[in-house]
Amino acid sequence: NAGVTQTPKFQVLKTGQSMTLQCAQDMNHEYMSWYRQDPGMGLRLIHYSVGAGITDQGEVPNGYNVSRSTTEDFPLRLLSAAPSQTSVYFCASSYQANLANYGYTFGSGTRLTVV
Amino acid sequence: GEDVEQSLFLSVREGDSSVINCTYTDSSSTYLYWYKQEPGAGLQLLTYIFSNMDMKQDQRLTVLLNKKDKHLSLRIADTQTGDSAIYFCAESPGYSTLTFGKGTMLLVSP
Repeated sequence: NAGVTQTPKFQVLKTGQSMTLQCAQDMNHEYMSWYRQDPGMGLRLIHYSVGAGITDQGEVPNGYNVSRSTTEDFPLRLLSAAPSQTSVYFCASSYQANLANYGYTFGSGTRLTVV
Repeated sequence: GEDVEQSLFLSVREGDSSVINCTYTDSSSTYLYWYKQEPGAGLQLLTYIFSNMDMKQDQRLTVLLNKKDKHLSLRIADTQTGDSAIYFCAESPGYSTLTFGKGTMLLVSP
């Protein structure tokens, strides 16, 4: 199994550009989420989804859009990139019912720099 | 305000025990977790504890939970240089969501 695959691994954007961070999982997990990790801030939840067609906001959703048209994919869209969105982005997934036993499976991250 | 708090840095010598502490705020959290992040990688689940347990042992790892004080600790016995990483405490305040602390960087010197 590939687990959780994030692409790209690195990206540099100019302020105002838009882009989509891709996340795919092949474990048939119902739950998927996006976190951003900033120095001294830990991980903060951006958006999450409990199943195809269902998404909700996390702690820091502004400037980001998500959709969940399939169980496998959960892309994160930056509408108009800002330097404050420079961060490392992690996608994570889990079986809802087995969250305790397996926790989240994390992708390896996308390091985004906005200049 | 911050829901999960951890000290930011811990330095130990190889072979010593490491203790990483965490306090959380949501008393309804059913499970509490410890994750490990190695440089340039995502987080991986180390262990978890159910809220009705006081202690859980898993090889070199011991998790202690004081529910009254909302205090969680992770003890790593015989710490090795390969244990150097960032360790995150997390609680589950809602179904299928996790709230993470800021992480404790563990540095193990030879």
